[in-house]
Amino acid sequence: DAGITQSPRHKVTETGTPVTLRCHQTENHRYMYWYRQDPGHGLRLIHYSYGVKDTDKGEVSDGYSVSRSKTEDFLLTLESATSSQTSVYFCAISDLAGENAGYEQYFGPGTRLTVT
Amino acid sequence: SQQGEEDPQALSIQEGENATMNCSYKTSINNLQWYRQNSGRGLVHLILIRSNEREKHSGRLRVTLDTSKKSSSLLITASRAADTASYFCATDHNDYKLSFGAGTTVTVRA
Repeated sequence: DAGITQSPRHKVTETGTPVTLRCHQTENHRYMYWYRQDPGHGLRLIHYSYGVKDTDKGEVSDGYSVSRSKTEDFLLTLESATSSQTSVYFCAISDLAGENAGYEQYFGPGTRLTVT
Repeated sequence: SQQGEEDPQALSIQEGENATMNCSYKTSINNLQWYRQNSGRGLVHLILIRSNEREKHSGRLRVTLDTSKKSSSLLITASRAADTASYFCATDHNDYKLSFGAGTTVTVRA
């Protein structure tokens, strides 16, 4: 998975508890992303980062926050988990592959989160 | 917001047959990408086609792009059981974020 790891891989938590998911990369890519994947919705962007300490919201950011204190780590936090946040979460990284190249994304293995 | 919309949602074919899926999008793109997702895994990049290209090949994959119709197609020739997966198109609107469609689930029967 292109030097991307996610932890934990599975988590079950109770409504109202805080949860932090970690994405770690060894590719030194500038851009990092958090997506959630739900049946019928494809991938939806939660937050993304374009550098250390530089982050911005995606289309479904409510209830989530992120931090990036080092190039290699991007953390996603659910401050107070709700059942609607039960999902599979994917981290991805990208950078320009070269002149005239696009921003191809490389994905981690995913974290399956269940909020009961 | 979701830009790419794949069609059909699901496709079942016999091993050896070709599989075709389509993607439509709404606003102008810098490039369009196709990804594959095997069950329980992360997405894997397959191919990228730039807005000034009309067709691109990679092994058994053929991608076409028609910017006038805002659509793309992915053809997998001589399908194999290992091609069973979900396929997603993703549009790049000239920044470093991609917009993914909901995907086409392809089942290849032995």
